[in-house]
Amino acid sequence: DIQMTQSPPTLSASVGDRVTITCRASQSISRWLAWYQQRPGKAPKLLIYDASSLESGVPSRFGGSGSGTEFTLTISSLQPDDFATYYCQHYNSYSGTFGQGTKVEI
Amino acid sequence: QVQLVQSGAEVKKPGASVKVSCKASAYTFTGYFMHWVRQAPGQGLEWMGRINPNSGGTDYAQKFQGRVTMTRDTSISTAYMELSRLRSDDTAVYYCARDSGYCSSTSCPLDYWGQGTLVTVSS
Repeated sequence: DIQMTQSPPTLSASVGDRVTITCRASQSISRWLAWYQQRPGKAPKLLIYDASSLESGVPSRFGGSGSGTEFTLTISSLQPDDFATYYCQHYNSYSGTFGQGTKVEI
Repeated sequence: QVQLVQSGAEVKKPGASVKVSCKASAYTFTGYFMHWVRQAPGQGLEWMGRINPNSGGTDYAQKFQGRVTMTRDTSISTAYMELSRLRSDDTAVYYCARDSGYCSSTSCPLDYWGQGTLVTVSS
């Protein structure tokens, strides 16, 4: 199975900061990577698919990049609504493993 | 708008089984795979498996092989996930989630999610 490793596990930041989260795959997954945001007590929300494509309705301050085994999620200017946990997920095979998550906190 | 509405919270004893439902609306139920993902308290997301509502075909994560069964009833646009031989570490929120249309040759990210069903396993 493909393993997904996110870093850092926790990230402390302030409103207006630029933040970057990294996700590494244990083998190449081409561009088949998605990013989700999860707020406490809520279901995850799809932000990015195909490593860099923005889901409809997602603010443009969210951006994704990478291919192969290394990927990043960038929030260009952190807003109060963005304090949440972020997960990557591959869909290179039928078993869509998630990363362990990165909590973005104040 | 697309909605996935799950059944209510459950409390089960160790060794028992639980069956969670997920009723879909506002889209063609048989057109998109349905996935099940769980989240233990304070933990991350764990993919459990998926079902093709059109054929009934399933793919399960190796960890759950032999304990999980995913089924569907196309007449009522509802998917089900049954987990047997429950243990205390199966205590989690269980989500159903639909394939998006942005797919690789084998799978897709998940664009619509149910509200989650808390399953508590306790003696």
